[in-house]
Amino acid sequence: GAGVSQSPSNKVTEKGKDVELRCDPISGHTALYWYRQRLGQGLEFLIYFQGNSAPDKSGLPSDRFSAERTGESVSTLTIQRTQQEDSAVYLCASSLGAGYNEQFFGPGTRLTVL
Amino acid sequence: GNSVTQMEGPVTLSEEAFLTINCTYTATGYPSLFWYVQYPGEGLQLLLKATKADDKGSNKGFEATYRKETTSFHLEKGSVQVSDSAVYFCALNTPNTGNQFYFGTGTSLTVIP
Repeated sequence: GAGVSQSPSNKVTEKGKDVELRCDPISGHTALYWYRQRLGQGLEFLIYFQGNSAPDKSGLPSDRFSAERTGESVSTLTIQRTQQEDSAVYLCASSLGAGYNEQFFGPGTRLTVL
Repeated sequence: GNSVTQMEGPVTLSEEAFLTINCTYTATGYPSLFWYVQYPGEGLQLLLKATKADDKGSNKGFEATYRKETTSFHLEKGSVQVSDSAVYFCALNTPNTGNQFYFGTGTSLTVIP
């Protein structure tokens, strides 16, 4: 079956503009995660969705960042008024859910803020 | 809280050398432990995992043993190949407490012929 997909694969934007990144998890996976990976650095947790529970937003770096998920399907990560320090690869991962402990990663969206 | 610490890179080895990448963790409860690998230009993929103390995960010649007494999950391979060049991430997961994942900062490995 299909893996986790993300779009766009690359996004170049100007400072101050809003961007929206999309993630399609594996069908049937109730858990969905967003991470940020800056150049040469590790994964930085952003947000986690599990079924219909309230999302864990503890990793969002500022109120410019938000994410939504439609049921157990698509998720969008929105960054408002982008800054140059937002430039990174944004990774999405999904897993079967609580108690299942393997994550499957998408290819990422490379965001460049000029 | 939960966290993962892994040795800093970059690591450069000659082909057929022995590899160790250290990983230690701090966790509440009983975490599962993972190594993920990111090959150049590709996404992260699971390399191996262990879900309880003393378990050994293995794949593609890599091994790691879940050591609760030393809170460690060191990655080893007896003879590395050029194709093993990648970034390796140690991670833990607490499936009984929210299923949150915590990743280390990654260790870059380059294997030279």
